[in-house]
Amino acid sequence: KQEVTQIPAALSVPEGENLVLNCSFTDSAIYNLQWFRQDPGKGLTSLLLIQSSQREQTSGRLNASLDKSSGRSTLYIAASQPGDSATYLCAVSVKEGYQKVTFGTGTKLQVIP
Amino acid sequence: SAVISQKPSRDICQRGTSLTIQCQVDSQVTMMFWYRQQPGQSLTLIATANQGSEATYESGFVIDKFPISRPNLTFSTLTVSNMSPEDSSIYLCSVRNGMNTEAFFGQGTRLTVV
Repeated sequence: KQEVTQIPAALSVPEGENLVLNCSFTDSAIYNLQWFRQDPGKGLTSLLLIQSSQREQTSGRLNASLDKSSGRSTLYIAASQPGDSATYLCAVSVKEGYQKVTFGTGTKLQVIP
Repeated sequence: SAVISQKPSRDICQRGTSLTIQCQVDSQVTMMFWYRQQPGQSLTLIATANQGSEATYESGFVIDKFPISRPNLTFSTLTVSNMSPEDSSIYLCSVRNGMNTEAFFGQGTRLTVV
């Protein structure tokens, strides 16, 4: 059974700092990994999708990497802003049936002005 | 990308009643899913909504409690039946347009059962 863990569970940084969020998964047989952000009480916004054959994806100040063999992904946020404050979730799509998506536990980020 | 509209956005319901949540997508999608997010927790998949046939439920979720309909490729409903306070959660609709593609989510329905 796929298990997805995110470290740290919570993170507080001053504005402008670069930061890294970590995601690890137990079964490397994945199709893809996706990073989302969730604002309090809201739905999920897709940030980046990395296919299993890719090593990284970039979008603006965000860069996500994937090391499938070691079961790890990182989300790098450059020059953090207060608007980045949210919970960040990673999710892996596993190679079974209809590609069930398993979510991580989330990292709650607070960027202090 | 897909634009997903979920209704209602929130509701407060009496225990023992039922609530139907609607999910409308602005384009046809092959795959639709329903998730539950309990307070302070991550997302758990309830079921896959299959167009024209019965939904596929995950372990721990049953059709009598969470009946799902999907009459076409752009619309689905999830009903939370005979509600109890333990059903208080955010319920989210998600879509993907084919295997190995990006998943998109609605804004969720925040349900409180009193």
